[in-house]
Amino acid sequence: GAGVSQSPRYKVAKRGQDVALRCDPISGHVSLFWYQQALGQGPEFLTYFQNEAQLDKSGLPSDRFFAERPEGSVSTLKIQRTQQEDSAVYLCASTAAKGAYEQYFGPGTRLTVT
Amino acid sequence: AQSVTQLDSQVPVFEEAPVELRCNYSSSVSVYLFWYVQYPNQGLQLLLKYLSGSTLVKGINGFEAEFNKSQTSFHLRKPSVHISDTAEYFCAVSDNLSGNTGKLIFGQGTTLQVKP
Repeated sequence: GAGVSQSPRYKVAKRGQDVALRCDPISGHVSLFWYQQALGQGPEFLTYFQNEAQLDKSGLPSDRFFAERPEGSVSTLKIQRTQQEDSAVYLCASTAAKGAYEQYFGPGTRLTVT
Repeated sequence: AQSVTQLDSQVPVFEEAPVELRCNYSSSVSVYLFWYVQYPNQGLQLLLKYLSGSTLVKGINGFEAEFNKSQTSFHLRKPSVHISDTAEYFCAVSDNLSGNTGKLIFGQGTTLQVKP
């Protein structure tokens, strides 16, 4: 597959649990974005990586949210002590180069916190 | 800061009829503009983008959009819709300042419902 993949596709967590969401961008893509899409809303920016460097994390809603991309390819979004308001679809997107304006999106991970 | 307003949350239309999905944006700087489509349980797919040049932009699946700077609008149009166009459509902006990462600011989305 040449596209962006995300796993798991669906995740149910009990309130207070930690979760880890994985994103595999298109091979060779430099830039990687995470977005959060609440039910019935448009996606909202969370954080941005250029290679392994996290250059913008202004959208992370709290310090319970943490993202990493240690080798500049796969990225993981971690949410600690999940809350009900964290329930959403988490989308990952990648682009071939910094400032390239066609973002390729993965199918998303639907997180439900009960 | 930028913001995007999609004026219609739902647009019902009959098959083979024309459709327009409206988008207005607010920004203190120049922007790039995008339309994405999201089919159920899938990620977003780019329909078209305006970066510069001609204000009429043609995209995939027969869609087009017109950038109107004075009205700060970027409405999406298709002259004849198909059942398969039923999906959620998102308008998005990104500022074009030097050093911009390309992060997107999205509208709330418009559900296009094509009826037979």
